[in-house]
Amino acid sequence: KAGVTQTPRYLIKTRGQQVTLSCSPISGHRSVSWYQQTPGQGLQFLFEYFSETQRNKGNFPGRFSGRQFSNSRSEMNVSTLELGDSALYLCASSLDRMTYEQYFGPGTRLTVT
Amino acid sequence: AQTVTQSQPEMSVQEAETVTLSCTYDTSESNYYLFWYKQPPSRQMILVIRQEAYKQQNATENRFSVNFQKAAKSFSLKISDSQLGDTAMYFCAFMKHGSSNTGKLIFGQGTTLQVKP
Repeated sequence: KAGVTQTPRYLIKTRGQQVTLSCSPISGHRSVSWYQQTPGQGLQFLFEYFSETQRNKGNFPGRFSGRQFSNSRSEMNVSTLELGDSALYLCASSLDRMTYEQYFGPGTRLTVT
Repeated sequence: AQTVTQSQPEMSVQEAETVTLSCTYDTSESNYYLFWYKQPPSRQMILVIRQEAYKQQNATENRFSVNFQKAAKSFSLKISDSQLGDTAMYFCAFMKHGSSNTGKLIFGQGTTLQVKP
């Protein structure tokens, strides 16, 4: 069974631009969570989606948003990029909301210049 | 709010030896899950082991085992017979048990483990 995939793997953007990252969960998995990983702040939870609905949200500004499609694929969007948004963005999937193991994708490395 | 603390930023161990990584956490919840994840250099995060807080028996997965002390809020990872492939950053993580907070892992800052030949 294929693992969690994320596209693109690497991205370079300029301040003020917006970006969309994509995540395809493991087949059959319906819950998708997003995390931001930086050297200074470590791993921080962004949000979780299940059945096309955002179920939980971390402490990030409204510039960070996401959505989930009927096939469980998820996207996250960051608008008006700032230098501090440079990070590795990780997506994780789990079977459902009663399964606690999360399986991570390889991440998207976003660099904002 | 829950917090997870890993007090050892870096550790090293000789191949074939045993090493223990420390993790403490703070929570007022009684039901939760604890995890150790491994992130090899430039590779993706892998789940190593998990522990349900309601289980007293410590979890084991091959060479990996945990020492779960619920009263002390401690959750250490022991790696036996260390191998070069164990070189990675290790994250301790907490997840509340329940429908309201599912999907959110709270991570420690990580411990970089170097296995030396």
